[in-house]
Amino acid sequence: DARVTQTPRDKVTEMGQEVTMRCQPILGHNTVFWYRQTMMQGLELLAYFRNRAPLDDSGMPKDRFSAEMPDATLATLKIQPSEPRDSAVYFCASGQARGLAGNEQFFGPGTRLTVL
Amino acid sequence: SQKIEQNSEALNIQEGKTATLTCNYTNYSPAYLQWYRQDPGRGPVFLLLIRENEKEKRKERLKVTFDTTLKQSLFHITASQPADSATYLCALTGPGGSYIPTFGRGTSLIVHP
Repeated sequence: DARVTQTPRDKVTEMGQEVTMRCQPILGHNTVFWYRQTMMQGLELLAYFRNRAPLDDSGMPKDRFSAEMPDATLATLKIQPSEPRDSAVYFCASGQARGLAGNEQFFGPGTRLTVL
Repeated sequence: SQKIEQNSEALNIQEGKTATLTCNYTNYSPAYLQWYRQDPGRGPVFLLLIRENEKEKRKERLKVTFDTTLKQSLFHITASQPADSATYLCALTGPGGSYIPTFGRGTSLIVHP
């Protein structure tokens, strides 16, 4: 039963600390997404990779956030330095893009981040 | 700017009835629209995808309609069950081969036994 995995599931840290979240997409998927979900904003796209290349990170605060895919089995989202307003649930999702046929996404369980 | 609207108020219905959820959008020409289910503490789970040239799509007790003139999608769950209680999100993806969806805020459905 293939699924997206994320670590850690929960993270509590203090303001100013670096936070790294990891995601293992489903094997064979060629698209990876990072989202942030809050009660106020809902689900917001932070970054999008296709075939490991970053194609869209316009939703990501560039001064403190960075997203990478060092290989096909690992995507990372880093926040440095973290701030209390970064507290949210961060989801990774992967999918298999097939021309213009549409692309359902498979979400991981999320990382709940709390910045004190 | 692009806007996706889902009813922020929870929808309460009785078991056995049909639940109907609405997704409206403005300033958008989506190539396709998806519906996801999200349970508390979990990631969204894909349910159905409908393309701009399709009017209706069905899967078991689920039915989705897509009216590009009204700029609206309706999501129906027939013979609803308490296990259907969750938040339902719609997501729109634009034309041109972009696979980047924009999600609505979701509507909470509560099915009472």
